Amino acid sequence: EAAVTQSPRNKVAVTGGKVTLSCNQTNNHNNMYWYRQDTGHGLRLIHYSYGAGSTEKGDIPDGYKASRPSQENFSLILELATPSQTSVYFCASGDSWGSYAEQFFGPGTRLTVL
Amino acid sequence: GDSVTQKQGQVTLSEDDFLFINCTYSTTTYPTLFWYVQYPGQGPQLLLKVTTANNKGISRGFEATYDKGTTSFHLQKASVQESDSAVYFCALVDPNYAQGLTFGLGTRVSVFP
Repeated sequence: EAAVTQSPRNKVAVTGGKVTLSCNQTNNHNNMYWYRQDTGHGLRLIHYSYGAGSTEKGDIPDGYKASRPSQENFSLILELATPSQTSVYFCASGDSWGSYAEQFFGPGTRLTVL
Repeated sequence: GDSVTQKQGQVTLSEDDFLFINCTYSTTTYPTLFWYVQYPGQGPQLLLKVTTANNKGISRGFEATYDKGTTSFHLQKASVQESDSAVYFCALVDPNYAQGLTFGLGTRVSVFP
C-alpha cells in the first residue's frame, strides 16, 4: 500500500503570508494530487502532477501554486494566504491512468488562516 | 464536466441494519467508479471500485454496482457494525486520463449498538 505523508499536520497562518504544504510518497507513483475538503463541498481538486517537473491545474487552482521537484515530493504553495483558504488539505498519489487509477491519500493538513 | 451527486448527507442505523447509499453521476466517458471511506482525522481510503457497468465490487462485506442506464452507483452492506461508522464518498474518474477524482459530498454513517 502506498505511503503518503504530509507536513505540517496543522498550520496557523496570517492573512497575506506565504504557506507551503508538503507531501511525500514512497510508492514510486507517477501521479500526485492536491485536494481541499470543506463542509458542503466534499473534496475538490486543486492541482495535480504527472511526474517530476510537471504541474497541472485542477478544478479550483486560483490562489494556489504547485511544485513537483521529484517523483516523491509535491508541494502546494499559497503565496498570499486568505481566510477563504482555511480548510483541510489532502495529498494523494496514484499510478498512471487506466482502470487501476485508484488514489492513496495522506492524513491531511489542517490550515487556518487568520 | 464530470459530476457526482450524493443526496444522503447522513444515515443513522443500529447494528445489524442494512446499509444502502446511492450516488448518481454525469460524465461523457465510461468511468471507473469508486467508494472511499473516511474515518475521523484520516484521509479517505479506497473501499472498492467498479470498472465496468453491471459488474460488482466487493470488499469487507460491502458491495457496489453501477448501472450505466440510470447512471447510478450504490453501496450496500447487509449488516453494519459500529466500526462501520464513517463518512462514505462516491467518486469517479475518466480511466483514460490521470486527472483527479470527482467526489460526491459524502454520506456520514452513524451506527449505534
